[in-house]
Amino acid sequence: SQTIHQWPATLVQPVGSPLSLECTVEGTSNPNLYWYRQAAGRGLQLLFYSVGIGQISSEVPQNLSASRPQDRQFILSSKKLLLSDSGFYLCAWSWVWTRGSNYGYTFGSGTRLTVV
Amino acid sequence: AQRVTQPEKLLSVFKGAPVELKCNYSYSGSPELFWYVQYSRQRLQLLLRHISRESIKGFTADLNKGETSFHLKKPFAQEEDSAMYYCALSGEAGGTSYGKLTFGQGTILTVHP
Repeated sequence: SQTIHQWPATLVQPVGSPLSLECTVEGTSNPNLYWYRQAAGRGLQLLFYSVGIGQISSEVPQNLSASRPQDRQFILSSKKLLLSDSGFYLCAWSWVWTRGSNYGYTFGSGTRLTVV
Repeated sequence: AQRVTQPEKLLSVFKGAPVELKCNYSYSGSPELFWYVQYSRQRLQLLLRHISRESIKGFTADLNKGETSFHLKKPFAQEEDSAMYYCALSGEAGGTSYGKLTFGQGTILTVHP
């Protein structure tokens, strides 16, 4: 069966410090990978998605970047954190979507990031 | 641009009462719609998909293209249904937004004993 791991669960970082959140998927190959953010009082916002190694699409301009160095590894990074980067970050994976066979996403457990 | 609106941030009902969580969307085409649920201390998980027309845990949702809605319903709410519920939309197959889910802001459902 497929599993998705995301860490750390919580993180408190000072403004201006770097960030690296990691997500790995097991039990499948060539998954689509996604990073979402949930800010307080707001819905889930898609930040990045990837359909393959080295293929990253950014959905919103921001202080963050993503990388996919291996097929089942997805990393969210920042060189210098801002207060506005605080939030709950979720990684998700899915099979490649085909008409009529979309099962949505499987989400990780999330990382609560607080920038102080 | 596609958009999902869940007008109620909070919804409270008593056990055994019917419950309806509203979801309206904006999309010019034939979207695929989903409901996700997050129970306390658990991961966000898929509840149901409109294309499968299934009923999960007594919940159903019908896509109404005329009203652009995908409301989630259950005739008799249970205490264990208390959770955060998200409606989500993907653009249609072949489009640029296919496979990318747009989520609503979520509704916290509380079922009182």
